[in-house]
Amino acid sequence: AQKITQTQPGMFVQEKEAVTLDCTYDTSDPSYGLFWYKQPSSGEMIFLIYQGSYDQQNATEGRYSLNFQKARKSANLVISASQLGDSAMYFCASDAGGTSYGKLTFGQGTILTVHP
Amino acid sequence: EPEVTQTPSHQVTQMGQEVILRCVPISNHLYFYWYRQILGQKVEFLVSFYNNEISEKSEIFDDQFSVERPDGSNFTLKIRSTKLEDSAMYFCASSERGPGQGRRYEQYFGPGTRLTVT
Repeated sequence: AQKITQTQPGMFVQEKEAVTLDCTYDTSDPSYGLFWYKQPSSGEMIFLIYQGSYDQQNATEGRYSLNFQKARKSANLVISASQLGDSAMYFCASDAGGTSYGKLTFGQGTILTVHP
Repeated sequence: EPEVTQTPSHQVTQMGQEVILRCVPISNHLYFYWYRQILGQKVEFLVSFYNNEISEKSEIFDDQFSVERPDGSNFTLKIRSTKLEDSAMYFCASSERGPGQGRRYEQYFGPGTRLTVT
């Protein structure tokens, strides 16, 4: 079964600094997608960024970028210029190992706390 | 900006009762999903739905669960006889395309329905 590993249960960062949240995945599929979601304390799941396995460049969306290292099977999320509102749970997910219909497998999540 | 909506936001029910959780996916999306998250745990896939039929389901999605798209906008999850362990946040999600169809394959989640079974 597909496995997503987020080894950092919690991370702390100072406001305005950058932070990297780690994610590794395990698949032999040639084609797959990697996703990051943010879950604030209110509970909703907010889509942040998507990386396709065949994408030549690392994905970026505003202050979010994905450091995709295919050979290492890692898809780390980099948040630049952290803001207090970035404090939340962050989940990495992948659609590898499923059928063609997009089942996502999630990691355990990393709680990010941004200090003023 | 278009968004996935879910109702109710919180549902309390007694064990053994039937519940229906409702979702309105983003209007031009074709792929629909249900996930659940037990408190403090990771998000788990339940079922995917495309072209008016289930395309994949997890082992969690047993005979007590069913999904339906009764009209052109709603997507529902029914739990026929709820158990205590069904207490969780249930998320509906939708995507415009499926995997392998290029970019814009993001799955957008609704705000969730918190189901409490007593």
